[in-house]
Amino acid sequence: AQSVTQLDSQVPVFEEAPVELRCNYSSSVSVYLFWYVQYPNQGLQLLLKYLSGSTLVKGINGFEAEFNKSQTSFHLRKPSVHISDTAEYFCAVSPVYSGASKIIFGSGTRLSIRP
Amino acid sequence: ETGVTQSPTHLIKTRGQQVTLRCSSQSGHNTVSWYQQALGQGPQFIFQYYREEENGRGNFPPRFSGLQFPNYSSELNVNALELDDSALYLCASSTPGTGNSPLHFGNGTRLTVT
Repeated sequence: AQSVTQLDSQVPVFEEAPVELRCNYSSSVSVYLFWYVQYPNQGLQLLLKYLSGSTLVKGINGFEAEFNKSQTSFHLRKPSVHISDTAEYFCAVSPVYSGASKIIFGSGTRLSIRP
Repeated sequence: ETGVTQSPTHLIKTRGQQVTLRCSSQSGHNTVSWYQQALGQGPQFIFQYYREEENGRGNFPPRFSGLQFPNYSSELNVNALELDDSALYLCASSTPGTGNSPLHFGNGTRLTVT
């Protein structure tokens, strides 16, 4: 079985400051890793994904994440945030060769940007 | 390219009633997954349909059931509604894969059970 822990339920930051949203996962098998963003009253949108290869993954809107296998982490970072980044962010995993895209989500981190 | 559309956007039902939620998948996607997102929580996997067959199920009771149609659209049915079924129900479509296919989500149906 897989599980995802997002260590911070809320992260307040000032505009143009850097941010890191933390994610740890647990799995007995290899997994793919994802970050999704949910804006108010909308569904989830894929930010980035790690399937294999380079452990530093770049996504949309200037976000990037680094996969650390030894620490089973996949933290999301952005060097300078904007008001428009205010949203809920979800880390997710999917077992490799699961036969179905059963993606398991964390409980989310609410990013609030202060002007 | 047409995205994932869900209907209705909001719904209010009474405990014990039955509800049907609908989803049209994104063009070119033949796999549909349903998720339940309770307030303040992450989405929980209900089940997935591929080629009109259930292809994986999460930890939800049998009163949660689904269908997929030849045009890949899908329905989620919930019988004997309970108060705890109040949530945002998200439909997501994808191409078939071995766990690496990202999900494309609709905006969800907000179900309130009173």
